[in-house]
Amino acid sequence: AQKVTQAQTEISVVEKEDVTLDCVYETRDTTYYLFWYKQPPSGELVFLIRRNSFDEQNEISGRYSWNFQKSTSSFNFTITASQVVDSAVYFCALSFTSGTYKYIFGTGTRLKVLA
Amino acid sequence: EAQVTQNPRYLITVTGKKLTVTCSQNMNHEYMSWYRQDPGLGLRQIYYSMNVEVTDKGDVPEGYKVSRKEKRNFPLILESPSPNQTSLYFCASSIGTALEAFFGQGTRLTVV
Repeated sequence: AQKVTQAQTEISVVEKEDVTLDCVYETRDTTYYLFWYKQPPSGELVFLIRRNSFDEQNEISGRYSWNFQKSTSSFNFTITASQVVDSAVYFCALSFTSGTYKYIFGTGTRLKVLA
Repeated sequence: EAQVTQNPRYLITVTGKKLTVTCSQNMNHEYMSWYRQDPGLGLRQIYYSMNVEVTDKGDVPEGYKVSRKEKRNFPLILESPSPNQTSLYFCASSIGTALEAFFGQGTRLTVV
């Protein structure tokens, strides 16, 4: 089965706190791609990051960082020193380039950052 | 400006009245797809297209049709809409599934 699980439905933090959004995926394929997207209250979907299954390097972009661990099938997203503008729904997604050409999204995590 | 354009943005219709939601991209992308977003269910893929005249079912294709006659356009057709198709719909395009998708602004559909 190919699946993406975002077990955290909603998280609330106070501004400046660090927060980690969890993403666990399932696949038997050896080649796959993982993504994170942000959906702010305005509703559009914004791409944040992409990782392929052969690249387990963690990535940092400003206050955002991503931890990809194949051993636990996880691709977690951490926001350091959260800000009110980080309030959004965050989606993790999985895709493939052979067999099935679907994009599979998780159910999303709603992050509320309180001032 | 690179973009995916969906129309209309909002639509209220009655059960059984055929409708089409249009989607157009100007990035020469091969891959296009449609999703519906429902509370608690995230984004679910309805149909996707790898290229012109090549379409395939996603995870929730029942009640929908698509066509890909031109590379830039990928309309979503609801032949006989029902209230359970009330949802927020997104069209997206990308070079391929290995790369990030660009999404349209969304179409909020209400079927009464």
